[in-house]
Amino acid sequence: IQLTQSPSSLSASVGDRVTITCRASQGISTYLAWYQQKPGKAPKLLIYAASILQRGVPSRFSGSGSGTDFTLSISSLQPEDFATYYCQQPKSYPRTFGQGTKVEIK
Amino acid sequence: QFHLVQSGAEVRKPGASVKVSCKVSGNTLRELSIHWVRQAPGKGLEWMGGFDPEDGEAIYSQMFQGRVTMTEDTSTDTTYMELSSLRSEDTAVYYCATGTIHPYYMDVWGKGTTVTVSS
Repeated sequence: IQLTQSPSSLSASVGDRVTITCRASQGISTYLAWYQQKPGKAPKLLIYAASILQRGVPSRFSGSGSGTDFTLSISSLQPEDFATYYCQQPKSYPRTFGQGTKVEIK
Repeated sequence: QFHLVQSGAEVRKPGASVKVSCKVSGNTLRELSIHWVRQAPGKGLEWMGGFDPEDGEAIYSQMFQGRVTMTEDTSTDTTYMELSSLRSEDTAVYYCATGTIHPYYMDVWGKGTTVTVSS
């Protein structure tokens, strides 16, 4: 199963609403996770099962979608949110990742 | 909260093998399914393989089939990932990770092990 994220990168300002999409090459129900990664650090799970917020993750993050189309939204971008975001599907092997979306400061 | 403690950085020549360890600290390996993910410099995340939570068998990505072996030692709560026939493209940070809320979703990660392949 291939996952295609868009955009590959984006520039945004603090306070902006940001939306990242992830499209699967075949239906994966809601078997989708979103991870945040900062330089030199391990990825951090933000959302699982497409829309469930991981404990401790700020509520400005939200996920939606099912089947083949998914969205990660950040309602009001904060300085600590500048990072790279990846989607991943655990529906079948190999457990593929999207290519990543880098969120940069405008 | 438990931790995954990975072994230190490694340097290998092309054609050699490397074995990276991942020790579960504060929990028992029997309760977990460990997966391995790598990241080449400036590149994205790549799932290499892991232990299936249903039957405990190791499943490998076809990209590494024949070159990767994942094993577990439950007596020391340590899992290992061995990659053979190394080439320069295998230079990367290798992470172990596992799911505690659900075995499908990786919410606990090791800090990563840098493997450099260079002649």
